[in-house]
Amino acid sequence: GENVEQHPSTLSVQEGDSAVIKCTYSDSASNYFPWYKQELGKGPQLIIDIRSNVGEKKDQRIAVTLNKTAKHFSLHITETQPEDSAVYFCAASISGGGADGLTFGKGTHLIIQP
Amino acid sequence: EPEVTQTPSHQVTQMGQEVILRCVPISNHLYFYWYRQILGQKVEFLVSFYNNEISEKSEIFDDQFSVERPDGSNFTLKIRSTKLEDSAMYFCASSVAQGAPGELFFGEGSRLTVL
Repeated sequence: GENVEQHPSTLSVQEGDSAVIKCTYSDSASNYFPWYKQELGKGPQLIIDIRSNVGEKKDQRIAVTLNKTAKHFSLHITETQPEDSAVYFCAASISGGGADGLTFGKGTHLIIQP
Repeated sequence: EPEVTQTPSHQVTQMGQEVILRCVPISNHLYFYWYRQILGQKVEFLVSFYNNEISEKSEIFDDQFSVERPDGSNFTLKIRSTKLEDSAMYFCASSVAQGAPGELFFGEGSRLTVL
C-alpha cells in the first residue's frame, strides 16, 4: 500500500519568514495530494490540495508543488503569522479521496516565533 | 457552513466494554470514513463506506470493529470489546466523491479512553 513520509517533524520559524514542509510518497498510482491543518483538540482541516495533472497550486500565502517523477510534494507558507502555528499533515490517495481514503504523513508541528 | 458532527466528544470506558461512536456526515455526501489518531501520532485510515457497505478497510479494522448507517443521517463505529490500545481520537469524515474525487471533511473527533 501507499506510504507517505513527512519532514520535518517540528519546524520553528520567525513570524514573517517562510516555512516549507516536504513529503514523499511511494505509490506512483496516487493522484491526489491534500494538506491538512490540525489545531489543538480539533479535526484536520483541508488547506490546499493538488492533483497529479498539476505541478503547482497557490492560494494566497500557501502554495503546494508536486514532482511526480520524484514522487514528492511540498507545502510552502509565506509571510507566516502566529495563527499558522498548528500541526500540518500531508496525505496521498489513489482514488482521490474516494474508496481508499487518505494515507497521511506523520505530521509537522509548525511553531511561529513572535 | 455544513459540517461533520461527532458524539460523544469524549468517552471513558473499561477494557472489554462495547463502545459506539456516532457521526452525522454532511447531508449530500456519499462516502463516509473513520480514521483514528493515537496521541501524538499520525491520522490512520480505518474504513470507508459507500452505498451502505464497506468499500475499503485497513489492517487496523479487525473483527472487533464494525460500521453501520442505521438511518439516513447517522454513521456509527462500534468497537465490540475495547482494548487499552484502542485509546485514541476517532475522526469521522465524509466526501462527495464519486468518480470525481473530492475533499474529505473531518469532524472534531471523539476521544476514547480505555482504562
